[in-house]
Amino acid sequence: DTEVTQTPKHLVMGMTNKKSLKCEQHMGHRAMYWYKQKAKKPPELMFVYSYEKLSINESVPSRFSPECPNSSLLNLHLHALQPEDSALYLCASSRGQGAGETQYFGPGTRLLVL
Amino acid sequence: DAKTTQPPSMDCAEGRAANLPCNHSTISGNEYVYWYRQIHSQGPQYIIHGLKNNETNEMASLIITEDRKSSTLILPHATLRDTAVYYCIVRLNDYKLSFGAGTTVTVRA
Repeated sequence: DTEVTQTPKHLVMGMTNKKSLKCEQHMGHRAMYWYKQKAKKPPELMFVYSYEKLSINESVPSRFSPECPNSSLLNLHLHALQPEDSALYLCASSRGQGAGETQYFGPGTRLLVL
Repeated sequence: DAKTTQPPSMDCAEGRAANLPCNHSTISGNEYVYWYRQIHSQGPQYIIHGLKNNETNEMASLIITEDRKSSTLILPHATLRDTAVYYCIVRLNDYKLSFGAGTTVTVRA
């Protein structure tokens, strides 16, 4: 089983709202990732967690705040977003962080910021 | 990570093999070749990866040339559900998948 689940599937929020995206995996993977994908563009890495600690932040604005409460769960907290943050937010996980470790993606949360 | 070059689009006939090329002429000895695909509005789906040897799984085959400067993903019997954007990624970095523009594959009945 290589399933990564994400909730919600769709989210509409205003620029003053606070919302959270949730990602879950039960494969025992110890690395988890957030990617962002704008329309008609490839996915781009935002954050990496390894063993529940933030290991990589790809210069993401502070209005995006990741959290890894346990080894199975990854959240992305959103606050004061801009319309240009509208995108598909993808979560992925892998057994480890090595280049030979496959990343498995969830279905994504499609976010619209009004 | 080494850059990859893929054709922007290709068509193939349902039931026929689809051969998707990827050039990665600057690949180094420790870099893996990964293939993912993304069906419209879904998350990327892992297909296959390899380092030096050819690989096969239930979805596809990956043929890597001896000099490792190019590779081909083979979908043996394309179906309409294989219509997607296919990404070839060369990966050395231990955390990042750097997606390029990919190849939009359209399978026609």
